[in-house]
Amino acid sequence: SQQGEEDPQALSIQEGENATMNCSYKTSINNLQWYRQNSGRGLVHLILIRSNEREKHSGRLRVTLDTSKKSSSLLITASRAADTASYFCATGIYGGSQGNLIFGKGTKLSVKP
Amino acid sequence: EAGVVQSPRYKIIEKKQPVAFWCNPISGHNTLYWYRQNLGQGPELLIRYENEEAVDDSQLPKDRFSAERLKGVDSTLKIQPAELGDSAVYLCASSPQTLFEQFFGPGTRLTVL
Repeated sequence: SQQGEEDPQALSIQEGENATMNCSYKTSINNLQWYRQNSGRGLVHLILIRSNEREKHSGRLRVTLDTSKKSSSLLITASRAADTASYFCATGIYGGSQGNLIFGKGTKLSVKP
Repeated sequence: EAGVVQSPRYKIIEKKQPVAFWCNPISGHNTLYWYRQNLGQGPELLIRYENEEAVDDSQLPKDRFSAERLKGVDSTLKIQPAELGDSAVYLCASSPQTLFEQFFGPGTRLTVL
């Protein structure tokens, strides 16, 4: 079952521009994580934000979390061609699937040189 | 530090044949996950191990899928017999603890003809 839904499904920008991806989810979470997947490769963890945090930074990445709206956003600043990949949000929840991450369908980002 | 190792990287089989995937997690990681990823979708959990115990196999199609994690280290996922709909990428991931960031292997791309 899908917990997170990323928006947009696809995003195409020019190098140097900022890219913003959004994630909405349905149930209460323990944490929310963002992953990147290059074509034909495994996923790489980018950032984890806990349910009691509102914003987190890592290099050119900025993640926000609004638990009242059940939504998160990932901002990539000054994008590069190497940022071209699919980006997934994953929610860590307790309850029926304790300890599991549930992934969304992803946003496909294309950064043109 | 060596990452998560999976083999084979690619596998092509005829339907009704058996197939097995192998995963070696990062040393010291107690939690191991098997995911299936269909084209254009996010990973979907098949089974989660805590050490050698399968703590969540609710999404594993038990009529044809089986998994084991001997001695709480390496793991094998088997499909017998394979069906056309099993064509997907099978990802293995490991984590130091439940709900921490996950480290993914490169995956095995299975094609069932």
